[in-house]
Amino acid sequence: GEEVAQTPKHLVRGEGQKAKLYCAPIKGHSYVFWYQQVLKNEFKFLISFQNENVFDETGMPKERFSAKCLPNSPCSLEIQATKLEDSAVYFCASSQHHSGYEQYFGPGTRLTVT
Amino acid sequence: GQQLNQSPQSMFIQEGEDVSMNCTSSSIFNTWLWYKQDPGEGPVLLIALYKAGELTSNGRLTAQFGITRKDSFLNISASIPSDVGIYFCAGQLVDMRFGAGTRLTVKP
Repeated sequence: GEEVAQTPKHLVRGEGQKAKLYCAPIKGHSYVFWYQQVLKNEFKFLISFQNENVFDETGMPKERFSAKCLPNSPCSLEIQATKLEDSAVYFCASSQHHSGYEQYFGPGTRLTVT
Repeated sequence: GQQLNQSPQSMFIQEGEDVSMNCTSSSIFNTWLWYKQDPGEGPVLLIALYKAGELTSNGRLTAQFGITRKDSFLNISASIPSDVGIYFCAGQLVDMRFGAGTRLTVKP
């Protein structure tokens, strides 16, 4: 597609439940990035993919967060056993190259953990 | 990761006024990007800059890539009510770093 698509728009989970977010990058873009935006509007980098391979996962909380980009499927970000502090808006972005090129963002998924 | 220093944090201006905001960093970047985010939406790319000294316009928006590669500014001329939103700078060398945003309010 011509835009980055993210589903769902909103997700509410009880503490300890699993949350799974999806992202379809712009067609032809090889790189996918996940960011977490919390209350102070800061963007925290989580992980990036080059096609289906993890490119950089230095921002991922290793214990409960995992992500995949499988061929012919939307990319996914999964949080096992959600905590209150996971409440945030999660953005996916895609780009033709990892650096030196524009990143285009999706509309985000607002995760609320209660 | 280390964030960029973006200022001002917020601006309240009258419709028709010009706006200027900037980002600085202690690190150099190869790319500067400026985004606008409306409430409940994702950031929308406004301007991309790739060379030190580059000055680029997009309608009423003008942005420059600083000569030192450590800063960038965004100007909006003749502001209108739909300019309201949060503006973010982003600098990239390998990975992308973001400013904390400038919240713009335009009074009609």
